[in-house]
Amino acid sequence: QKEVEQDPGPLSVPEGAIVSLNCTYSNSAFQYFMWYRQYSRKGPELLMYTYSSGNKEDGRFTAQVDKSSKYISLFIRDSQPSDSATYLCAMSADYGGATNKLIFGTGTLLAVQP
Amino acid sequence: GAVVSQHPSRVICKSGTSVKIECRSLDFQATTMFWYRQFPKQSLMLMATSNEGSKATYEQGVEKDKFLINHASLTLSTLTVTSAHPEDSSFYICSADRVSGTEAFFGQGTRLTVV
Repeated sequence: QKEVEQDPGPLSVPEGAIVSLNCTYSNSAFQYFMWYRQYSRKGPELLMYTYSSGNKEDGRFTAQVDKSSKYISLFIRDSQPSDSATYLCAMSADYGGATNKLIFGTGTLLAVQP
Repeated sequence: GAVVSQHPSRVICKSGTSVKIECRSLDFQATTMFWYRQFPKQSLMLMATSNEGSKATYEQGVEKDKFLINHASLTLSTLTVTSAHPEDSSFYICSADRVSGTEAFFGQGTRLTVV
């Protein structure tokens, strides 16, 4: 079993739709949860960063973490064609000096159709 | 936001040669840098953790003699792929942590093609 599971998609939605992206994980030590956006042949760009459980909102993006279920989500409201990219979840545990040893999901390819 | 620059963005080399990839944190000091490898339609796989002034820590299955990592300063880490083979062709990405932060910032990646 992989430490982090993510549906690779592809996910195709019409412009303006609400998008829900999800990851599950097995390591209960994970405390830091991140969502990255990666355009084709580019490095990942940090979108959202959450510590422990709860919700975090930033503009059209909302990140949710449910540690009891080992489940995290990213919601995108009013999706735009420019949101078309691969979305990677990532997480890490506090291993002392290696806090940012990130474990990534496989990424979900999102296509927002105009 | 913090900027991490990776160079080159794309390189083609012949089998048996070595290739060096640079990762620089432009506006912050990075005590730790990470090197990842990404195959098409797959996730980022951590190869090694690089700490300034000390030897890198390699993940299981990564050949340390093939993938040489040097972190000589707080703003520069290099990955050298030695005696490259076609199966080394991949997308290599670095990330860097700020000294006082908990977020990782990524470079733009290097597409390596070994012919």
